[in-house]
Order: sequence, then structure tokens, then C-alpha cells
Amino acid sequence: HVQLEESGGGVVQPGGSLRLSCTSSGFTFGDFVIHWVRQAPGKGLEWVALISHDGSDQKYGDSVRGRFTVSRDNFENTLYLQMNSLTTEDTGVYYCAKVPLASSNSGPKDWYFDVWGRGTLVTVSS
Amino acid sequence: QSVLTQPPSASGTPGQRVTISCSGTSSRIVFDYVYWYQQFPGAAPKLLIYRNNQRPSGVPDRFSGSQSGSSASLAISGLQSEDEADYYCATWDDRLSGRWVFGGGTKVTVL
Repeated sequence: HVQLEESGGGVVQPGGSLRLSCTSSGFTFGDFVIHWVRQAPGKGLEWVALISHDGSDQKYGDSVRGRFTVSRDNFENTLYLQMNSLTTEDTGVYYCAKVPLASSNSGPKDWYFDVWGRGTLVTVSS
Repeated sequence: QSVLTQPPSASGTPGQRVTISCSGTSSRIVFDYVYWYQQFPGAAPKLLIYRNNQRPSGVPDRFSGSQSGSSASLAISGLQSEDEADYYCATWDDRLSGRWVFGGGTKVTVL
């Protein structure tokens, strides 16, 4: 059974940092691109970042580029999101989501969000 | 402002057909594939439609998708009370360095 579980959310002051984790089970983690997607309270979904199966390539949304860093540890089956210079606009639920096909069988247009975790809440407030 | 535009709301009575549109806000964005997600309050989104019109296993066939140029739509036929949820379209925008984009979401209400 494929599962993703986010952790590391909490309350942080503006300008602060936080690191989120996403642990996985039920599939060969190192074969798949993984995304971070967030949702501000009462708002829609916003794509944050993706990382290639081997960690060699990352892509970021415009609002987080230069402040957030996505990384992964394929030995520990864990994805990370290091968030720096946080602002109140970064408040929301952060989801990790895997793509459906292993990287050897897919390209960017097939890297859609197949299985999602339950999310972890990040609150940026003074 | 989302790159993809959806109506904020849609509604229908049980049994009716409801259609949700998803349009690119820039004339330069042309969809190859559009994806649709369903989200209930307090829950993670769930994949509803992939590659414009494909349903994952377990998704009822009353959900259908279509796409043409820079527009796409999701149709719910035979609307049921349990379909009341938020619906989001998404696509890969390969301009510049590439990014995924979502529509702003449509709240479907069953009257």
C-alpha cells in the first residue's frame, strides 16, 4: 500500500526557517519524482517544487524560488523541504505527492500528482 | 492570479449534469494534458482525471474530462450529493524552466 506522510509543520515567526519531511512506504521511493504542493487556508492548491528521482534536478514555483530547497534521501525513503525567509504568505498545509510512473518510463508531462500525503500545517505568525 | 481560470462555483440538483471549465489565461499556454483533482474539506486532493480524459481505477464513470487547445472541462453526469467538493484542474507549463500550475478551484454544490 503506497503511503506518504508529512511532518515537521508548526508555528514559526516571519523570517524564520522550517524543515518539512515526507516519509514514504509501499513503493520504491528512489524511482519516482516527488512534489511539494501547498494550500493556504481557504485557498486553492499551489505547486511548490519537484525533485527528480535521484535528486539531481529540482524545479520551484515562482513564489518560493531562492527561499525553499527540496532534497531527498533515497536510502531513508524521505523527502525534505527546507524553507527559509518565511513570510505570512507561506502559511498553509503542505502536501507531498508522488508521480504515477517511475522516471525511467516518464517525462515532465506525466509527472502529475498521483498519491498524496495528508499534509502538515505550517503557520507563519509573530 | 492563477494561470488557469476556473469558475469559482457550480451547482446542480441530484441527477443533473454539471460542467466545470478550465482555461489558460495566456494565449501562449496550450495544454497537452490536463488533470483534475477532487478535494473534500480537511482532506488531501484526489486524482480524478489524468491525461485529459482518463479515469484512475475506482473513479466512477459519471466523471469525464475533455480538452481542446487552451481549454478543458470536467463533466459530472448524474450528480450525487457525495460529489459536493472542490475541483481543481492542473497542467504542466513547459515555458521557461517548467512548472506545474493549478486552476483556482471550483466549488460544486449539490442543491
